[in-house]
Amino acid sequence: NAGVTQTPKFQVLKTGQSMTLQCAQDMNHEYMSWYRQDPGMGLRLIHYSVGAGITDQGEVPNGYNVSRSTTEDFPLRLLSAAPSQTSVYFCASSRNYEQYFGPGTRLTVT
Amino acid sequence: AQSVTQLGSHVSVSEGALVLLRCNYSSSVPPYLFWYVQYPNQGLQLLLKYTSAATLVKGINGFEAEFKKSETSFHLTKPSAHMSDAAEYFCAVSLSGNQFYFGTGTSLTVIP
Repeated sequence: NAGVTQTPKFQVLKTGQSMTLQCAQDMNHEYMSWYRQDPGMGLRLIHYSVGAGITDQGEVPNGYNVSRSTTEDFPLRLLSAAPSQTSVYFCASSRNYEQYFGPGTRLTVT
Repeated sequence: AQSVTQLGSHVSVSEGALVLLRCNYSSSVPPYLFWYVQYPNQGLQLLLKYTSAATLVKGINGFEAEFKKSETSFHLTKPSAHMSDAAEYFCAVSLSGNQFYFGTGTSLTVIP
């Protein structure tokens, strides 16, 4: 049981490049979320999903896309990276109001 | 709308002293409340949660929190701080179980 896994751990992008942050969970949780963590701002919800095929926006969705084709996977896509997207990104899955977090991806956009 | 406010971005305590981290919530209906801990370069780990059962909630590592509706508070306490408690602590609120809103965090330093 690996829990929630995220890849890559670190990534450096140039402005305008695109990339996908991967997230997978093996706990058969319906709910999954993406957060970004910035100093002094806590965690802010980007997008979330309540099940395969169903996604919705959180607090800060601009510049990010998600899809949920399977229960296990919930990738986050940056279509055109901007320096303001430099952050640490966490994926989480949840059941019964308990969230399980991945180890995070540290993204730098130059 | 739902939100949480954590008072004090940095708290320092001596080893063996009481730990008190403050969290106030805003919600139009009774919320579910949570405390998470984050150690350096790691994800968040659930310490405890309030889900409308007992108002005093006990969590891992000796932490507990009390839900006080009259004060809209959910403060985190531990009777005796240990060096290993040094970390970032986040309060969070949820109404639906699929959207969680976090406070800005409190960094706890434990002084030997």
